[in-house]
Formats: sequence, structure tokens, C-alpha cells
Amino acid sequence: DGGITQSPKYLFRKEGQNVTLSCEQNLNHDAMYWYRQDPGQGLRLIYYSQIVNDFQKGDIAEGYSVSREKKESFPLTVTSAQKNPTAFYLCASSRSTSGDSYEQYFGPGTRLTVT
Amino acid sequence: SQQGEEDPQALSIQEGENATMNCSYKTSINNLQWYRQNSGRGLVHLILIRSNEREKHSGRLRVTLDTSKKSSSLLITASRAADTASYFCATGANSKLTFGKGITLSVRP
Repeated sequence: DGGITQSPKYLFRKEGQNVTLSCEQNLNHDAMYWYRQDPGQGLRLIYYSQIVNDFQKGDIAEGYSVSREKKESFPLTVTSAQKNPTAFYLCASSRSTSGDSYEQYFGPGTRLTVT
Repeated sequence: SQQGEEDPQALSIQEGENATMNCSYKTSINNLQWYRQNSGRGLVHLILIRSNEREKHSGRLRVTLDTSKKSSSLLITASRAADTASYFCATGANSKLTFGKGITLSVRP
């Protein structure tokens, strides 16, 4: 089955701890994205990567970090510097963009709660 | 920054009726896309319309794009209870998508 997976579905952490969210795809897509969604809100772009070993900041990158060592994987670390980390996090992938933007395939999301 | 702005914010209709949702945006785009999200799930791509297209159909979906007015509409015909979800427009430019806040559609059986 081709698709994009995120784990875990629910994640609970104490304030001050870093936490890493997993995102894996087997669609052979070059581009991958991380979004944050708050209740009643749209998606806001955190980071994106168009190719292995390269990534760019999105609109709300502060307090987050990513890596792209493999084409299939794009993990997101929520650091203790992120002021309001509790949110629903969505990972997506798409074909190589090269200036255009293609349809994105989304994972099921990870709901992070920090107390 | 959220470029797409959907209207209305919420829509409640009876099964069998048509649902029309609108999206306005501010800057130049390569394409405009519509996505659906069921509660607590990831988004599912519905349809993509390029900036040089005016109308596109996919099953019960019809999307229009007016680049002079910087607006798009999504029409779902003969709605079903299973269409109950949030719908987002997303504008594509510079290798990224920018999403609106979404429209909550409720279809009453």
C-alpha cells in the first residue's frame, strides 16, 4: 500500500521536553511538508523539504527543527523553545515542485499535548 | 500567512441539496486546490484547477476559478451525509500551498 504514515497518533509530553514526531512516505515523493493545525484554524506551514538534505522554513518555524536524511523520512522535533506546542501536526508529501505546487498527500496526523 | 479565505465559515444543508463554498485570495497563484478533512483526520485532496483554467469537474464536484476577481467556488451537487466535513481551499505558488481556515459543512440526513 502506498501512503504516508505518522506516529504516534497521540503524544503527551511535559513542558520543557523536546519531542520528535515521525513521518514516513513510500510514494517516492521528493517534497515533504509539516503543518500545524489549531482548533477551528487552517493549516500553517512549519517546514518543508524539496529534496534530500535540504529544507526551508515555513511561516511558523520558530521552536521547531527538522531533518531530511532519507527521501522517505522527514521527522519534526518540537523543542522546548516552542511557546504553544499543543496542536494537531500534519505531514504531507508531493511530487517535486520546481516552482509549481502539486497535490499533497497527507498523513493521519499526530495530536500533541504538552502539559 | 493565510492567503485563502473561505466563505461561509459554516454551512448546514439537507441531504440531496447542493452546497456552494467560496474562496478568495490575494496574490498571484499557479493553481488553486480544494481539500476535505474529516474530524481528527488528515486532509484529502479533492480537485486542482490551474490559473489558466476556468472550470473543472470531478464526479459531483465542480470548481470554478476567476483570476480577475481572485476567487474560486466549489460546488458539491446532490450532497450526502458522508460529505459532512471541513473543506479547505489552498493556493499554490512558489512550491508551497497556503491554506485558508476552512468551511464546516454539515449535511443533515
